[in-house]
Amino acid sequence: DAMVIQNPRYQVTQFGKPVTLSCSQTLNHNVMYWYQQKSSQAPKLLFHYYDKDFNNEADTPDNFQSRRPNTSFCFLDIRSPGLGDAAMYLCATSREGTGGKRTEAFFGQGTRLTVV
Amino acid sequence: LAKTTQPISMDSYEGQEVNITCSHNNIATNDYITWYQQFPSQGPRFIIQGYKTKVTNEVASLFIPADRKSSTLSLPRVSLSDTAVYYCLVGDFSGGYNKLIFGAGTRLAVHP
Repeated sequence: DAMVIQNPRYQVTQFGKPVTLSCSQTLNHNVMYWYQQKSSQAPKLLFHYYDKDFNNEADTPDNFQSRRPNTSFCFLDIRSPGLGDAAMYLCATSREGTGGKRTEAFFGQGTRLTVV
Repeated sequence: LAKTTQPISMDSYEGQEVNITCSHNNIATNDYITWYQQFPSQGPRFIIQGYKTKVTNEVASLFIPADRKSSTLSLPRVSLSDTAVYYCLVGDFSGGYNKLIFGAGTRLAVHP
């Protein structure tokens, strides 16, 4: 059974047209991550949530926003997609307790975004 | 900032044991070392996690020396389906919270 679900698997959007990618989890994990992965590169962390606390990576463009309305759902909003934003977007979750001990992360299958 | 260094690529043949070493000189006291496997067009998948000494599960072993500045993922008797990218991760406290930061990974190619 899928535990981290990303929708859609494939998304085509127009240059400059806002797009939202979604992620849901059934694991009740308190940490959720969004990564961008371009061809033949490692996943690059965009931001993550620790419960409701949002943590943005310093080099994440302002064009990328995120929302986490509840524990189960997290959204990635790209306000004005450019051709360079075409990539696989990966959502992941993990559970972290006090002291920083963290369970392994569970990844979704990803959403492949194409910008035309 | 805890970073990892791995070989860019490795080649092996079916049935051989493969050892992939990762360097993490700045690992923090509370950090665990975690390895992930990624196939093309899929999300990374957890393989194994350890803190020190040796950890073994049904798919791999993880060897961590006493100083914890490196770790070695051992895959016994690889098959063609083990061809993938393998990532070594450690925690990153620079933002105040643990983060999962991926290094470049090791691209393993298993040949017949």
